[in-house]
Amino acid sequence: AQSVAQPEDQVNVAEGNPLTVKCTYSVSGNPYLFWYVQYPNRGLQFLLKYITGDNLVKGSYGFEAEFNKSQTSFHLKKPSALVSDSALYFCAVRGFSGGYQKVTFGTGTKLQVIP
Amino acid sequence: DTAVSQTPKYLVTQMGNDKSIKCEQNLGHDTMYWYKQDSKKFLKIMFSYNNKELIINETVPNRFSPKSPDKAHLNLHINSLELGDSAVYFCASSQGVGNSPLHFGNGTRLTVT
Repeated sequence: AQSVAQPEDQVNVAEGNPLTVKCTYSVSGNPYLFWYVQYPNRGLQFLLKYITGDNLVKGSYGFEAEFNKSQTSFHLKKPSALVSDSALYFCAVRGFSGGYQKVTFGTGTKLQVIP
Repeated sequence: DTAVSQTPKYLVTQMGNDKSIKCEQNLGHDTMYWYKQDSKKFLKIMFSYNNKELIINETVPNRFSPKSPDKAHLNLHINSLELGDSAVYFCASSQGVGNSPLHFGNGTRLTVT
């Protein structure tokens, strides 16, 4: 069965500092990996996705993600955090489960950027 | 131009009632989903439809019945509502396979009293 782990419930970072939100995954076959952001009272918004062969993928709002096959990780990064980045971040994996493609989400990490 | 829209945004009802949530997408996607987000913000897939056919049904009580009249619509009907059904329900759509991302609606907050 496929799974996604986000080991940190919350990440605090000072404005202007780099941020990392961690994600590890388990899936059969090639991984389709995604990051989403959720602001209060809103649906999830797509940030970026893994593209086969690219170990560093760039996405919206200056976010990027680093793929590491040996560590089965897909950590979200940003060089300089903004207060407006404060939100809930979800990592997700799409893979085959029970004969069909299924998207599984991690438990979410709350990012708090401190002014 | 809302890509995935669901109604109503809020739904407050009493135990035992029956209610429906509607979802429409104008992205031309072939796959639609219902997710449940609980009070701890955990997201759990409930159903997935591909070209109007049910492809995922994740151990959801049969009080929940999805209906997809066409590729652009996926509605959720809930019978005999229980307190534990209180949650935020999200509709989403995507092109069904590979690395196509999901596009989410803004959610329906269901409160059962």
